Amino acid sequence: AQSVTQLGSHVSVSEGALVLLRCNYSSSVPPYLFWYVQYPNQGLQLLLKYTTGATLVKGINGFEAEFKKSETSFHLTKPSAHMSDAAEYFCAVSLGNNNDMRFGAGTRLTVKP
Amino acid sequence: DVKVTQSSRYLVKRTGEKVFLECVQDMDHENMFWYRQDPGLGLRLIYFSYDVKMKEKGDIPEGYSVSREKKERFSLILESASTNQTSMYLCASEQPPKQFFGPGTRLTVL
Repeated sequence: AQSVTQLGSHVSVSEGALVLLRCNYSSSVPPYLFWYVQYPNQGLQLLLKYTTGATLVKGINGFEAEFKKSETSFHLTKPSAHMSDAAEYFCAVSLGNNNDMRFGAGTRLTVKP
Repeated sequence: DVKVTQSSRYLVKRTGEKVFLECVQDMDHENMFWYRQDPGLGLRLIYFSYDVKMKEKGDIPEGYSVSREKKERFSLILESASTNQTSMYLCASEQPPKQFFGPGTRLTVL
């Protein structure tokens, strides 16, 4: 079965600094990979996803993630953090059609002024 | 746009009460899911359904049941609520491989 590990339950960066949220997965077959964001008191929103094709995926709000099969990783990055990026971020993996999605434990991002 | 709605944003119940959480999607998706979200544990799958009247257990089905009588509606039932079921409950509807989430229901069991 597939699984996801997010390294670091809390990450704190200064405004304007690089954001790096780490995600490693395990899967017996090529996975579909996702990053979701949850702002305080709101539901989950899809940031970006990787299914097939280009391994560098660009999402909303300036975020991107790169699928690295050799490292079984799908780390989320943003070149310059903004105060509005403060939220909880979830990495998820799915094996595709009719298969349940597995989520990581989440990483809470804090952005300091 | 896909819309997934959940019947309540906030709910407070007493121990032992029967609790119904309802989820409705408007995109004719076959697959629907119920998760609970707890700090440090992320999202955990409770039950999912691939079609009307079909259900499958997820990772933590104990203490829960589900009902899928119509394609657009997937209900989560707590037969006898307990304090350890205090959590945020998220419903999702799926057009594989992408899931669409509802806003969540924060349930407190006293």
